[in-house]
Amino acid sequence: GNSVTQMEGPVTLSEEAFLTINCTYTATGYPSLFWYVQYPGEGLQLLLKATKADDKGSNKGFEATYRKETTSFHLEKGSVQVSDSAVYFCALFSASKIIFGSGTRLSIRP
Amino acid sequence: GAVVSQHPSWVICKSGTSVKIECRSLDFQATTMFWYRQFPKQSLMLMATSNEGSKATYEQGVEKDKFLINHASLTLSTLTVTSAHPEDSSFYICSRPKLGGIGSSYNEQFFGPGTRLTVL
Repeated sequence: GNSVTQMEGPVTLSEEAFLTINCTYTATGYPSLFWYVQYPGEGLQLLLKATKADDKGSNKGFEATYRKETTSFHLEKGSVQVSDSAVYFCALFSASKIIFGSGTRLSIRP
Repeated sequence: GAVVSQHPSWVICKSGTSVKIECRSLDFQATTMFWYRQFPKQSLMLMATSNEGSKATYEQGVEKDKFLINHASLTLSTLTVTSAHPEDSSFYICSRPKLGGIGSSYNEQFFGPGTRLTVL
């Protein structure tokens, strides 16, 4: 069946460090891929998405590229800020359902 | 601002009692809404799809009689945890499709802030 695997956290970085959170997926067909973010005390928000192979989603300095050959959708940001501290979920959409990864908690030190 | 609200944000109840959680779409009528359950340090798991005017569609392994879903109106879906037990303690999250209920737009959803249920 369809599934999403993302790197376990927590991840702790210093401000302005480079961020990568790995995400791979298993799916039939060509699912849409997403990164959602959950800030403390808030609901999940869509961060970025990609709907087909080689698409790059980007938002707020974050980027992820839909790699069909490696079935990956890694999240990257060149310089993180304290305000990026949150839980990040990789997800795919297939058969009218969103399937989430287990989430990665990111903490950024000033 | 928020487009999906949940009430209550947290609830503590005794084992054997029933608890109702409300999910409201604040800015758009939604013929379809979704209920998820999130265990600590784990992913969100889809429990069921709430359909206005018809029965909810439950995912495999979810007990229909324990988790009662009622899509009372185009802006309100409720989840009732019946005869709650400590193992039902969890974080429950609802969502609605971006455009309310059109199948082609299920892939982008707006999520509520969640309800933390603790059963003693």
